[in-house]
Amino acid sequence: AQSVTQLDSQVPVFEEAPVELRCNYSSSVSVYLFWYVQYPNQGLQLLLKYLSGSTLVKGINGFEAEFNKSQTSFHLRKPSVHISDTAEYFCAVSDLRGNFNKFYFGSGTKLNVKP
Amino acid sequence: EAQVTQNPRYLITVTGKKLTVTCSQNMNHEYMSWYRQDPGLGLRQIYYSMNVEVTDKGDVPEGYKVSRKEKRNFPLILESPSPNQTSLYFCASSFDGQGRRAFFGQGTRLTVV
Repeated sequence: AQSVTQLDSQVPVFEEAPVELRCNYSSSVSVYLFWYVQYPNQGLQLLLKYLSGSTLVKGINGFEAEFNKSQTSFHLRKPSVHISDTAEYFCAVSDLRGNFNKFYFGSGTKLNVKP
Repeated sequence: EAQVTQNPRYLITVTGKKLTVTCSQNMNHEYMSWYRQDPGLGLRQIYYSMNVEVTDKGDVPEGYKVSRKEKRNFPLILESPSPNQTSLYFCASSFDGQGRRAFFGQGTRLTVV
């Protein structure tokens, strides 16, 4: 089974500063990679996903992530954050082995953007 | 509008009283699943279904049951809820088994006292 590690449980950052949320996964077999965002009292919203092709993936709200196969990482970045980016962010991996694959989620990173 | 609908959104119940959380999707997806979210643990899969009448256990199935009699519905059943099942529950449906087009419900916050 996969394991997904989000090392930072909380990341405080000032508005307009850059931010990187880290995600590492355990296996180098073929995977799909996702970042989801959860705003307070809401469900999960897909930010971006890596399925194949270019290792730099751009998503909604100015976020991007880079797939690094050798380091089994998929870090999320934004060059300038806004107050409205305050939320919890989950990295997820879909392992492509077997007939049905599921998401393996990280434990989440709470991004707190301060004015 | 494509959506996954869970009901209820909030539920407080007592230990041992059977309950059902409903999940319905309008996208004709074959794949559906249930997750629970607990602080510091992320989301963990409870059960999943690949099609009507085809279900299987996820990582944390103990204490839960599911059924898939129709493609659009995938209810989660707690026959005898216990306090350790207090959690936030999410239903998800997907176009395929790899989650490339996955949609999540808004969540059901369950408290068992």
